[in-house]
Amino acid sequence: GAVVSQHPSWVICKSGTSVKIECRSLDFQATTMFWYRQFPKQSLMLMATSNEGSKATYEQGVEKDKFLINHASLTLSTLTVTSAHPEDSSFYICSAPEQGARYEQYFGPGTRLTVT
Amino acid sequence: GQSLEQPSEVTAVEGAIVQINCTYQTSGFYGLSWYQQHDGGAPTFLSYNALDGLEETGRFSSFLSRSDSYGYLLLQELQMKDSASYFCAVRATSGNTGKLIFGQGTTLQVKP
Repeated sequence: GAVVSQHPSWVICKSGTSVKIECRSLDFQATTMFWYRQFPKQSLMLMATSNEGSKATYEQGVEKDKFLINHASLTLSTLTVTSAHPEDSSFYICSAPEQGARYEQYFGPGTRLTVT
Repeated sequence: GQSLEQPSEVTAVEGAIVQINCTYQTSGFYGLSWYQQHDGGAPTFLSYNALDGLEETGRFSSFLSRSDSYGYLLLQELQMKDSASYFCAVRATSGNTGKLIFGQGTTLQVKP
């Protein structure tokens, strides 16, 4: 199956700093990618849809100025958490959809963000 | 609003059969998917139903009834490695890039 990578796999940062997370589709092109966050023992909450060459579409309640998304190429989307606070600590996962009949989404391994 | 309901926990023994139910209420519906997630790992795709009926893939089967807004995942011949969280997800928009809305997840514990 298709492979999606994320970098870094984990990051610790101080309050007030910004953190960039990369999501890459390694062996296929993805005009669309999705960003989720997941708290321990909870579901995946869709944050935004990243669109190559255009602005991201954010879900209701997600601050677009805080979670900056850039989809600069057909294989790379980035999520930047700006002015991070401890409550932003979470597991961030990206996914890219398959272009087939099963509409399968391929998920990256996730990035564990801890804000101190 | 959008909501998907599934049991929070299920426990079963090795070799048994377990069914995880999912009911949904969403503004759009283009299919129901199931994903498995082990602790600390990424979700992996298990199955997808766009039409009513049963889909079988090895030990896993998935069922959908659109009129009842209901589906289930059936796991047969349970193995210890099946201990994980299972999420149902509704494809809420059309097209190949349709976004998924996930349920809260069911933690399955398989005991020897």
